[in-house]
Amino acid sequence: EVQLLESGGGLVQPGGSLRLSCAASGFTFSSYAMSWVRQAPGKGLEWVSGISGSGDSTYDADSVRGRFTISRDNSKNTLSLQMNSLRAEDTAVYYCAKDPVEQWRGYFDSWGQGTLVTVSS
Amino acid sequence: QLVLTQSPSASASLGASVKLTCTLSSGHSSYAVAWHQQQPEKGPRYLMKLNSDGRHSKGDGIPDRFSGSSSGAERYLTISSLQSEDEADYFCQTWGTDIVVFGGGTKLTVL
Repeated sequence: EVQLLESGGGLVQPGGSLRLSCAASGFTFSSYAMSWVRQAPGKGLEWVSGISGSGDSTYDADSVRGRFTISRDNSKNTLSLQMNSLRAEDTAVYYCAKDPVEQWRGYFDSWGQGTLVTVSS
Repeated sequence: QLVLTQSPSASASLGASVKLTCTLSSGHSSYAVAWHQQQPEKGPRYLMKLNSDGRHSKGDGIPDRFSGSSSGAERYLTISSLQSEDEADYFCQTWGTDIVVFGGGTKLTVL
């Protein structure tokens, strides 16, 4: 059974940094692309960043490009999101999501339960 | 611009059927979509991938009550024999070159 468990969320001041992690199990992690998707309170879903199975290719939404960096450690079955220069509008629950193939397409067939990031002074 | 449009809300009675609609923007009628369910206070759950020809592939454990169909730029999710646990938000999603788009979601109320 695929399991995705996010961690690392919390309260951070505007301009600050935070690093999220997603521990994956139940599948061959390196064989599948992964993404981060967020949901602001009471709002819909917004894709944030994606990465291929090998980690060679990454993709970012315009709203986070240059501030957020997605990465993965296939030896530890872990996906990460380094978030810098955080803004109030980055406040959201952040979900880890799995693609059904190695090459990133942005189509998700499994989701984690999410971790809340609050950006506030 | 790739956009998905969903009605904000829908309702149907327990045991009845409901058909939710997701509309692709002009020029994108060949795109596939994925449907996801989000129950209150939970993470999303993948339901199915739905192609433009109506063929669909469901996620593991998704009941037969959930089905998909397509017509032109419209992508439909039909839920039959509605149960109380089907009360949730339903999002459609599509993807293009280096881009992912979500619809705004439909909040389904089971009466």
